[in-house]
This record gives sequence, structure tokens and C-alpha cells, in this order.
Amino acid sequence: DPKIIQKPKYLVAVTGSEKILICEQYLGHNAMYWYRQSAKKPLEFMFSYSYQKLMDNQTASSRFQPQSSKKNHLDLQITALKPDDSATYFCASSQEDRGLEQYFGPGTRLTVL
Amino acid sequence: GEQVEQLPSILRVQEGSSASINCSYEDSASNYFPWYKQEPGENPKLIIDIRSNMERKQIQELIVLLDKKAKRFSLHITDTQPGDSAMYFCAASGSTNAYKVIFGKGTHLHVLP
Repeated sequence: DPKIIQKPKYLVAVTGSEKILICEQYLGHNAMYWYRQSAKKPLEFMFSYSYQKLMDNQTASSRFQPQSSKKNHLDLQITALKPDDSATYFCASSQEDRGLEQYFGPGTRLTVL
Repeated sequence: GEQVEQLPSILRVQEGSSASINCSYEDSASNYFPWYKQEPGENPKLIIDIRSNMERKQIQELIVLLDKKAKRFSLHITDTQPGDSAMYFCAASGSTNAYKVIFGKGTHLHVLP
């Protein structure tokens, strides 16, 4: 059974629209993260949350908003989508703070037309 | 600085030989150094890690070396097999001001039969 679930696996959106990427982890971890991977910037850190509290934000654009409704959920809302947002978005989680031993979800591949 | 430099970007080795990937980091506060393997279309998977209280760690054919003074660490894969062909990412974390892992840009390892 997958321990980190990301939905959807593939997502196609039009420029200017808004989408939410879902992430749920069942590893009992207290920290969750979002990363973006594209041909231009492999594995780019975006956000980290610990106990549902934002710990670090390395995303310059406010169009990217993480949402944590539960300890094991960290969704990513993206508004006003642009073609440059096309990438694979990985959610990850870890038990210990400070990013130790992070485990990645299967990813959501987003294509913005 | 929080950059992690990784070299080489592409590495071709003959099956049965050793492969070495080198990384350097800037933040002297970094104390945790994981290595991830990513196969095409898959998520990154943690394969080995080392903490700053160690200089060497080995798991089967994987050896990680850490030189804290030089702020360098490396992955050595002995007796490479075709299944070792993949992207490998080094990373550093543990900086006192963040919960984030900084990744290198990756090394594409090709093990030639």
C-alpha cells in the first residue's frame, strides 16, 4: 500500500486557471514538504511544514499556497497557472524535524497549456 | 550560502567498475547528507545517508564519505550493475535556520554492459 498518496497523478490545466494538488501521508510523520522538478531545475525545495505550521517558504510567488487541514495532509493550491509552472510536483514527509530522512510521494505531473 | 554542487552531471562506467559522485556544500551548519536515486518516471528514493558525526558509511555496495573540513561528501558505488543506472542526487540539510533539504543538480549514471 502506498504510504504517501498524491492526487492526481497527471494534471492538465489551461493558463490562468487554478488547481489543487493533494498529498496525504500515512507514515505517522510530523513534517511535510513540497518540491518541484522540471528539466530546468531538478528537485527544487518549495515549502516545509511541521505540525501543520509553515516552517520555510522558498517560493517567491504567492500563487503557490500550501494548505494543511490535518497533520498528515499538505495540499498545494496554485492559482493563475502559467506554462512555466509545468513540472512534476513531489510531496515528501519526514519523522524528524529539519528534513531528516525524507520520503517522497509518487508525484503529480502538471502540464499547463 | 546554501548551494550544493554536484559533479559530474553525467557519468558513464563499465559494468563491474566503480562509480563516484562528488558533492560540496556551503553551509557549515549542515549536519545531514542524504543520497537519493531516481529512476525514469519514478520518485526519488533515499538510498543512503550520513550524519556529521561520521566520516564513512557503507551499505552493501554503497559507500558515502564525508569531509566536514572541506565541506565535501561523496557517493561511491562499487561493482556497478545495469540496475544502478539512474539519476542520483546528493543533498544537505540541518541548517539552523530552515527545515529544508538542498539538493544538488543530479548525476545521470549510465552503467554500460
